[in-house]
Amino acid sequence: DAKTTQPNSMESNEEEPVHLPCNHSTISGTDYIHWYRQLPSQGPEYVIHGLTSNVNNRMASLAIAEDRKSSTLILHRATLRDAAVYYCILRAPDNYGQNFVFGPGTRLSVLP
Amino acid sequence: NAGVTQTPKFQVLKTGQSMTLQCAQDMNHEYMSWYRQDPGMGLRLIHYSVGAGITDQGEVPNGYNVSRSTTEDFPLRLLSAAPSQTSVYFCASKRGSNTDTQYFGPGTRLTVL
Repeated sequence: DAKTTQPNSMESNEEEPVHLPCNHSTISGTDYIHWYRQLPSQGPEYVIHGLTSNVNNRMASLAIAEDRKSSTLILHRATLRDAAVYYCILRAPDNYGQNFVFGPGTRLSVLP
Repeated sequence: NAGVTQTPKFQVLKTGQSMTLQCAQDMNHEYMSWYRQDPGMGLRLIHYSVGAGITDQGEVPNGYNVSRSTTEDFPLRLLSAAPSQTSVYFCASKRGSNTDTQYFGPGTRLTVL
């Protein structure tokens, strides 16, 4: 799987939008972009994923650059509960589809 | 659905002891996997299974064994615990394809003295 680069940490104020960037300059045409987050003392949880088009769900939006070399996870109104480590992961199609490569991620702090 | 469950939540072992970390899922998922997470780091894949009777090694398999006799259960065995295996262990499952959501358990915090 291609590598991703994320900032180590970011801060946001409560109820403000948050844009979490991810660079993946070596992404292949078939790689899906997945975002997971890990709340303190919990296992990771799925946030969103996409291939080429921007995606929205109840948790967040995913904006994918036209050349797919970068993407941004958007939390529209940060809450204290959104404080977590956010992982950007590329998933290459393979026979088993099992190996998720988790880097160190971005630690998001939300200030009241 | 209970989702992915793991037992125990905490465990302390002495060097050389063996133990089994339990993982179960009730979503009828084909794929299951074990990860370890060391302080301040991301997750690393230990072993995974694509279905009952089929397992394979991940990135850091040494010192661990797995088996998959049923769809629901995927235990992780530490053969002879070492301090380097002190970590938080997460079990995960997903239905099948590359784009499927992966569901994680709450983790087992293991300390080896």
